[in-house]
Amino acid sequence: DAGVTQSPTHLIKTRGQQVTLRCSPKSGHDTVSWYQQALGQGPQFIFQYYEEEERQRGNFPDRFSGHQFPNYSSELNVNALLLGDSALYLCASSWDRGDSPLHFGNGTRLTVT
Amino acid sequence: SQKIEQNSEALNIQEGKTATLTCNYTNYSPAYLQWYRQDPGRGPVFLLLIRENEKEKRKERLKVTFDTTLKQSLFHITASQPADSATYLCAPGRVGGYNKLIFGAGTRLAVHP
Repeated sequence: DAGVTQSPTHLIKTRGQQVTLRCSPKSGHDTVSWYQQALGQGPQFIFQYYEEEERQRGNFPDRFSGHQFPNYSSELNVNALLLGDSALYLCASSWDRGDSPLHFGNGTRLTVT
Repeated sequence: SQKIEQNSEALNIQEGKTATLTCNYTNYSPAYLQWYRQDPGRGPVFLLLIRENEKEKRKERLKVTFDTTLKQSLFHITASQPADSATYLCAPGRVGGYNKLIFGAGTRLAVHP
C-alpha cells in the first residue's frame, strides 16, 4: 500500500517563473493538505482540498493555487516565484474526519534562484 | 493570533534517559493535540494523538500529557535510544477545523550513546 507520493523531489526555478508540484494521497484518503516548510521551521498550512474544492486556506497569497482531481490526487501551483518561496513543500493526506492524523509525503525541495 | 511554542534549543540527552519535550500554546483552545516525528529531508510521521478529555496517552516508550489549564502538552520518550534522534513537532487541532493543523517549530532531540 503506497503512502503519499510527491513529485518531483527536487526542483530549481528562477525568480518570476511558475512551478507545479504533484501529490498522490495514501490509498483510501480523500483529503489533501499542502504545507510549506522553511529551514528550521515547522510546516505552515497553505490550503486543503476536499471533493475537488479548496476548503480552507492559510495566510498565503493568491500566487499559490491548487487543484484536486477526481482520483484525489492534487497539484500545487506557484506563480511569479520569489526567492522567499524556496522551501520544502509537503503534501499530507487524511480521511475527512476532524482529528484524522496526517500522512505526509517526503516533500518537494524547491529552490528559487 | 494563535501561537505554538516548543523548546527552541536542541535537547541533548544520554542514551537510556528520559527525554521530555514541551509544547505550549496561546490564543487557542484545541480539542486535541497531535505529535509528529520528522527526520532530516523527510516528511513528518504521526506518533500520537491526545484529546482534551484525556490527561495522558501512552504508546510503547512514548507518553503524552495534555493540560488544558496550563495550555501545555508534554511529550516523553523513556529509555531513549540514538535512533530517537529527530525533530519532534506538536500540532493542536480543533473540532470542526477540518483537520487543519498548525504546527510548532519543533524541538530537535539528540540522543548520545
